Amino acid sequence: SAVISQKPSRDICQRGTSLTIQCQVDSQVTMMFWYRQQPGQSLTLIATANQGSEATYESGFVIDKFPISRPNLTFSTLTVSNMSPEDSSIYLCSVEGVYGYTFGSGTRLTVV
Amino acid sequence: QQQVKQSPQSLIVQKGGISIINCAYENTAFDYFPWYQQFPGKGPALLIAIRPDVSEKKEGRFTISFNKSAKQFSLHIMDSQPGDSATYFCAASMRGWGKLQFGAGTQVVVTP
Repeated sequence: SAVISQKPSRDICQRGTSLTIQCQVDSQVTMMFWYRQQPGQSLTLIATANQGSEATYESGFVIDKFPISRPNLTFSTLTVSNMSPEDSSIYLCSVEGVYGYTFGSGTRLTVV
Repeated sequence: QQQVKQSPQSLIVQKGGISIINCAYENTAFDYFPWYQQFPGKGPALLIAIRPDVSEKKEGRFTISFNKSAKQFSLHIMDSQPGDSATYFCAASMRGWGKLQFGAGTQVVVTP
């Protein structure tokens, strides 16, 4: 299965600032997925990122808050903009492979 | 709308016992049902998955049972070990959908 590297692994940020999370995959993939996992909760899909087109956002998530880039078939970034304490979560990148969906280790974000 | 319902929320089992987690889904178009294991500070890892053309799949101590008519599937962890203590998520997806719908998660604690 694909190996996913996410950076940073964790960060503590001031409210009102923005954080960009990077996701690097060791193989070319068509779609990359960004999930949010709030404390003690399940995973919720934020958006699907396709190379060469605009990301597709799920209900409740908007591009102005979570802009996504997908410059090539192995890399994507998710930015959490104008952060508030409610954005404190784990953000996870995922790709689909032959054996199913693989997840990165996540970025643990704390907004103070 | 919660498309995948998971129970119980938490589970305590003695070492050597059987852990059973249940999930129910609503969308009959779902055709891929994976289970993920997540340890604190880590991303979810694919444990085992099943498609609706079989009623059971076993990999080592982990077994998925699938009941298509009841729209239910379950994970059985045989001979549970303390190292199995983690949060388990069921999920569902369909061909071409490209994303996973997760259950709420079950925290499993295996006591020595």
